Amino acid sequence: DTAVSQTPKYLVTQMGNDKSIKCEQNLGHDTMYWYKQDSKKFLKIMFSYNNKELIINETVPNRFSPKSPDKAHLNLHINSLELGDSAVYFCASSQTRQGAQYFGPGTRLLVL
Amino acid sequence: GENVEQHPSTLSVQEGDSAVIKCTYSDSASNYFPWYKQELGKGPQLIIDIRSNVGEKKDQRIAVTLNKTAKHFSLHITETQPEDSAVYFCAARLRGGKLIFGQGTELSVKP
Repeated sequence: DTAVSQTPKYLVTQMGNDKSIKCEQNLGHDTMYWYKQDSKKFLKIMFSYNNKELIINETVPNRFSPKSPDKAHLNLHINSLELGDSAVYFCASSQTRQGAQYFGPGTRLLVL
Repeated sequence: GENVEQHPSTLSVQEGDSAVIKCTYSDSASNYFPWYKQELGKGPQLIIDIRSNVGEKKDQRIAVTLNKTAKHFSLHITETQPEDSAVYFCAARLRGGKLIFGQGTELSVKP
């Protein structure tokens, strides 16, 4: 009965590969987010979707493409992975755009 | 640009003592200030939040205070326990809805 879940939990891959991370929330929330946490633990928003519509799109390389097939899911696809993409990626959701945000357990990506 | 400054970066206290973490924000239109606790290997967990129309909020051993004039807010943990050891993040929501996080405080509670 996990509220916000992500798969996979760990992802180890080679430079240049393409990978996807999936996120699902069972809270009935309208808004979902992707955050990146770097090696110094700094948390920064990447994208936000509200009712499947992109509402926040930070300065992120266009190798990163979010996709929201429905309100409960937000996936992140990364093309041509680079060493600097190694980080922990967190999905989060909130009832509305102004609501409290609840985070998933994270996906630890390591690019070799 | 908009930012949130958080201090200290590390904090070590004895079990039973109080811990205080302070944050300042730059966007005067910010109206929502959550605090998150992140344990090793886990996602950030919302522990308390405060909106700009409130000066203080308390939940058991945790309290948050907000000074809108000075643009700073603080987290107070009383009677600390070893299980309070974690990294704590403050955040401020900008007028566009984006959350900006502080740099984090690693709290260590020694038994």
